[in-house]
Amino acid sequence: DAGITQSPRHKVTETGTPVTLRCHQTENHRYMYWYRQDPGHGLRLIHYSYGVKDTDKGEVSDGYSVSRSKTEDFLLTLESATSSQTSVYFCAISDGDRSSYNEQFFGPGTRLTVL
Amino acid sequence: GENVEQHPSTLSVQEGDSAVIKCTYSDSASNYFPWYKQELGKRPQLIIDIRSNVGEKKDQRIAVTLNKTAKHFSLHITETQPEDSAVYFCAASWSNFGNEKLTFGTGTRLTIIP
Repeated sequence: DAGITQSPRHKVTETGTPVTLRCHQTENHRYMYWYRQDPGHGLRLIHYSYGVKDTDKGEVSDGYSVSRSKTEDFLLTLESATSSQTSVYFCAISDGDRSSYNEQFFGPGTRLTVL
Repeated sequence: GENVEQHPSTLSVQEGDSAVIKCTYSDSASNYFPWYKQELGKRPQLIIDIRSNVGEKKDQRIAVTLNKTAKHFSLHITETQPEDSAVYFCAASWSNFGNEKLTFGTGTRLTIIP
């Protein structure tokens, strides 16, 4: 597996509380992504980053914010968690080498439960 | 935006038989089509991909075909084995050689019957 870790791996929290998930990579890849996975929906892109301090929204970005202050870390924040944000969250990275295709490598996932 | 539909949602085949999973996409500008395999409790992993300038690609027992005119692509697994049991996801994106904003299908749960 590519050098990607996610923390925490499991979290249970209450509605209305802030939550931050961390993705850490040791591959020095340029692009980082946050997805959520829900039954019947597959994987849906929340936010992505194309460099330090450069981020953009995906298809399901409402209620989420991200930050990337250094190449290796990409943080996903739920400012005020809701039960609809109960999901498995995956981080992914890709190289950004313009000479070839760019496989996305996924982290191990974080299971978040909002009560 | 892009929309990807995947069928069937579940598929059971006898060991040794072939399995086919089909996806359609909506954005004619999409040019990159990967397939991911996800075993229970694990992360998705790329198993094969194809670009729009190629009609077919094979890797041992796995092949992917692409029909740009009809905007659909398919995964073919031959001589299926128990370890092929997993959830398979197709995806599509307009690739700028680095920034693959993937849109995924909803997944197919493949079960290989011994």
